[in-house]
Amino acid sequence: GENVEQHPSTLSVQEGDSAVIKCTYSDSASNYFPWYKQELGKRPQLIIDIRSNVGEKKDQRIAVTLNKTAKHFSLHITETQPEDSAVYFCAASISPRTDKLIFGTGTRLQVFP
Amino acid sequence: DGGITQSPKYLFRKEGQNVTLSCEQNLNHDAMYWYRQDPGQGLRLIYYSQIVNDFQKGDIAEGYSVSREKKESFPLTVTSAQKNPTAFYLCATLGRGDTQYFGPGTRLTVL
Repeated sequence: GENVEQHPSTLSVQEGDSAVIKCTYSDSASNYFPWYKQELGKRPQLIIDIRSNVGEKKDQRIAVTLNKTAKHFSLHITETQPEDSAVYFCAASISPRTDKLIFGTGTRLQVFP
Repeated sequence: DGGITQSPKYLFRKEGQNVTLSCEQNLNHDAMYWYRQDPGQGLRLIYYSQIVNDFQKGDIAEGYSVSREKKESFPLTVTSAQKNPTAFYLCATLGRGDTQYFGPGTRLTVL
C-alpha cells in the first residue's frame, strides 16, 4: 500500500523567511496530493492541493511542486508570518473518488517574529 | 467543513467502558471517515463509509466499531477492546474534487 514520508518533523524560521516541507510517496499510481494546516487543538484545513497532471501550483504565498519521477512533492511558504505557525500535513491518494488519503506524520512550523 | 459537527468536544472514559462519538454532516456528502490522531503523529484511518449501510475497515480498526444507517450520520464506538484509546478523533467527509473536510474533533481521555 501507499506510504508517505514527511520531513522535517520540526522547522523554525524567522518571520519573512521561506519555509519548505518535503514529502515522498511510494505508490506511483497516486495522483492527488493535498496539504493540510492544523492549528493547535483545531481541525486540519486544506490549504492547497495538486494533481499529477501539473508540476506546480501557487496560491499567494503558498506553492506546491510535484516531481512524479522522483515521487516527491513539496510545500513552499514564502514571506512567512507568525500566523503561519502550525502543523502541516501532506497526503497522497489515488483519484478519482479514492477510498482514503494516506497522511504524512506532520511538520511543526514555528515562525519567530 | 462548517457543515460537519462532532460531539462531545471532550470525553472521558473509564476502563472497560464503551463510548460513542458522534459525527453529523449536512453537506450531502456520500463518503465519511474516522481518523485517530496521537500527539506528534499523523492521521490514521480507523473506518470509512462510501455509502449508507456500507463501511470498510481502515488501518487501525481493532477495538472500534461504526454504523452508517443515515447519510448524515457516522457514529464511532470505542469499545473496551481498544486498549489505548486516549487520542484526538477526527471525522471527515469527501467533497468534490477528492477534498476531505474535517469536523472539529473529539478529544477522548481514559481515566
